[in-house]
This record gives sequence, C-alpha cells and structure tokens, in this order.
Amino acid sequence: DIVMTQSPDSLAVSLGERATIYCKSSQSLLSSSSNKNSLAWYQQKPGQPPKLLTYWASTRESGVPDRFSGGGSGTDFTLTISNLQAEDVAVYYCQQYYSIPPITFGQGTRLEIK
Amino acid sequence: QVQLVQSGAEVKKPGASVKVSCKASGYTFTGHYIHWVRQAPGQGLEWMGRINPNSGATNYAQKFQGRVTMTRDTSISTAYMELSRLTFDDTAVYYCARDRGDADYWDSWGQGTLVTVSS
Repeated sequence: DIVMTQSPDSLAVSLGERATIYCKSSQSLLSSSSNKNSLAWYQQKPGQPPKLLTYWASTRESGVPDRFSGGGSGTDFTLTISNLQAEDVAVYYCQQYYSIPPITFGQGTRLEIK
Repeated sequence: QVQLVQSGAEVKKPGASVKVSCKASGYTFTGHYIHWVRQAPGQGLEWMGRINPNSGATNYAQKFQGRVTMTRDTSISTAYMELSRLTFDDTAVYYCARDRGDADYWDSWGQGTLVTVSS
C-alpha cells in the first residue's frame, strides 16, 4: 500500500497570509505514460463531506477559488492557500489514486486562523 | 446537477449487519464508479472499496474483505454498501462518492450516513 504522510498535523495562519500543506507519498505517483501525478486534495469542514479542490496534483476543480493551488511531482506535493480567508478553516486531506486498491489518504491537516 | 443522497442514520448492535444506500441523480449512473469511504469520530478518511455500476464489479480494501458487500440496482440508480459482523470500531460516518470518470478522485459526495454500533 502507498503510505501518504501530511505535514504539519495542524497549522495556524493569519488572515490574508499564505498557508502551505505538505504531502509525501511512499512511492512515486507519477505515471510515465501520461506524465500525470495521481494526487488529489480535499477540504472538509465540520459536519460536511469532503470537497474536491485539486486533482492530477495541480488541476483546480471548477468553482474552487484560485487562492488554492496544488503543486509537486513524484513523491512530494503541496497545497498552497494564498490570502487566507476565514472560510478556509477546515481539515485538508491528500489522496493518492495511482495504485488501487487501496486508495489511501494522508492523515489530515487542521488549518486554523492565528 | 449531480446528487448523491444516502439513507438515514442507523444504530446497530455488535455482530449485526448494516446496509447503507446511495441514490444517484443528475448523471448517467452506469458511467461512473461509486466509492465508499468512512470516517470514525474525530478521525481521518478511510477507503472501503468501489463498485462499477455498469458491470457490478467490485474492489474492496483488504481490511474489509469478507465483511463488506457492495451492490447496485441500475433500475433505480442506487448503490448499496453492506457491512457485516459489526464491532464498536465500525461506528463512523459512511460516505458514498462518485468518481470523475477518468480516474479515482471524487467530485461528488453523499451527505454521509452515521452508523452507531452500541450494545
């Protein structure tokens, strides 16, 4: 199984500042045939299901503010939230879909306002 | 618009089984895999498995092999997840989610079904 490790576990950032969350996979998520990384990011607010933010590591889902950007390749990935807003308080998860079964997630990063 | 509506909360005793439904609308049901993901209270996300609504083929996480059964009824665009031999550790919110079609990431989710295992 591919192990996904996020850091940090929690993060406090001031409004208007930038937050960066890291996700590391135990093996490469890059497909040599498609040159795509099979990595998605989700945002989950209390009492709600997760919401897709980005996929293929850096493709932003329709309707997601451009403050959210995904990056990285191979085994190291980032989710960056620029100009942090109060509504961005949530838990963020990375998910690999390179090798299935099983699909695996990072443990989650809790983002709060400082 | 795409919508996944799940059945309501359940309370079960240890050793019992639970069956959760996920009714899809707003798209061609047979065109997208349905996945099941659970989340224990205060914990992270855990993938349980997926079903191809077109063929009925399934893939399960090793952890749930022998205890989970995923089925579908294409006539009513509904997927089901049945988990047997419940223990207290199965207390969780169970979500269904639809894949995009080109890969196993999920663009639409059900609202979640809380399953409580209690004696």
